[in-house]
Amino acid sequence: KAGVTQTPRYLIKTRGQQVTLSCSPISGHRSVSWYQQTPGQGLQFLFEYFSETQRNKGNFPGRFSGRQFSNSRSEMNVSTLELGDSALYLCASSSVAGLREKLFFGSGTQLSVL
Amino acid sequence: GESVGLHLPTLSVQEGDNSIINCAYSNSASDYFIWYKQESGKGPQFIIDIRSNMDKRQGQRVTVLLNKTVKHLSLQIAATQPGDSAVYFCAEQQGGSEKLVFGKGTKLTVNP
Repeated sequence: KAGVTQTPRYLIKTRGQQVTLSCSPISGHRSVSWYQQTPGQGLQFLFEYFSETQRNKGNFPGRFSGRQFSNSRSEMNVSTLELGDSALYLCASSSVAGLREKLFFGSGTQLSVL
Repeated sequence: GESVGLHLPTLSVQEGDNSIINCAYSNSASDYFIWYKQESGKGPQFIIDIRSNMDKRQGQRVTVLLNKTVKHLSLQIAATQPGDSAVYFCAEQQGGSEKLVFGKGTKLTVNP
């Protein structure tokens, strides 16, 4: 069974641009979560989707958005990029959006904003 | 506010020794805890979890201890191997939410 796949693996953008990151969950998984990882702030929750609906959202500005498609694949978008958005963006999937489900993480997209 | 913290940012051990990584959490409403291992260039990998109705759980070479009285979580790794070198994160979750709150992480280095 393939794991969580994130594309692209690396991305370089400049301030003011926007970016779209993609995540394909494990086959059969319907819940997808996104996390931002930086050396200073660690891993921080962005949002979580289940059946194309956003169920939870972290404390990030509106420039960060996401969506989930009917095949459970998910994308996140960051508009008007800032230098501080440079981070590793991790996607995680679980089989149901219930309790006590282990999250399986992808290897992430390393975003650098210049 | 909610936070999960680690007592030590780095830990260095000799191969074959036992390792103990500690974590303090602040949200008494959290009822599920997970330890993740993250190797360089990879995403976090699930190691072991524990529910708040338990105080100990064992896996293969790993044991998680939960002390709800002092809101403390620890991960014990037996006979530490070079392949155990990584950053270890504890995470907490509240019932009804998929959101995980992660600690800052402890970098474990295993010396041969």
